[in-house]
Amino acid sequence: KNEVEQSPQNLTAQEGEFITINCSYSVGISALHWLQQHPGGGIVSLFMLSSGKKKHGRLIATINIQEKHSSLHITASHPRDSAVYICAVNETSGSRLTFGEGTQLTVNP
Amino acid sequence: SQTIHQWPATLVQPVGSPLSLECTVEGTSNPNLYWYRQAAGRGLQLLFYSIGIDQISSEVPQNLSASRPQDRQFILSSKKLLLSDSGFYLCAWSLDRATNQPQHFGDGTRLSIL
Repeated sequence: KNEVEQSPQNLTAQEGEFITINCSYSVGISALHWLQQHPGGGIVSLFMLSSGKKKHGRLIATINIQEKHSSLHITASHPRDSAVYICAVNETSGSRLTFGEGTQLTVNP
Repeated sequence: SQTIHQWPATLVQPVGSPLSLECTVEGTSNPNLYWYRQAAGRGLQLLFYSIGIDQISSEVPQNLSASRPQDRQFILSSKKLLLSDSGFYLCAWSLDRATNQPQHFGDGTRLSIL
């Protein structure tokens, strides 16, 4: 069992739909990250969370430390949101990241 | 502002040949540096991380090595590449703090071994 698990693995949506990607982890963490990987491979850090909720534009990330669960939401999805979304955690032991396998999101026009 | 440069962007190498991938960071000092690999259809795997010059930790046994000859330079090397070394290699940096620092990624190197 992976220490960080994401669901779904693949997600196809129509433009405008509300999207949720989930991340569960089994280790103690000091922070959780949501990353976006575009088709060319480049990775961008979207959020770093240790509690509560953060919002940036149409993206919202939440974390429930007690339940060891985080969600990434995309409102009013757009084809340019198509990418792989990766959840990663900083274990309490240090700065290294442990990654989920990623969620491939495709938003169709 | 800080920037990270990684090169080359793509590389095709024969089995048994050597490898050198370079990563440099600008605009910060004493960063933590990381090398990751992403095999086809797989998640990211940490290969090496460094907290300072000549201070390298290896996460998985493998055919690769890393060096940090200067504060903001991180090099991934191999003396003899294997087919299984194919993948997408990413360099990243974070501030030199214990935890809770975002990592900033380079654009990656797509390595194909023939």
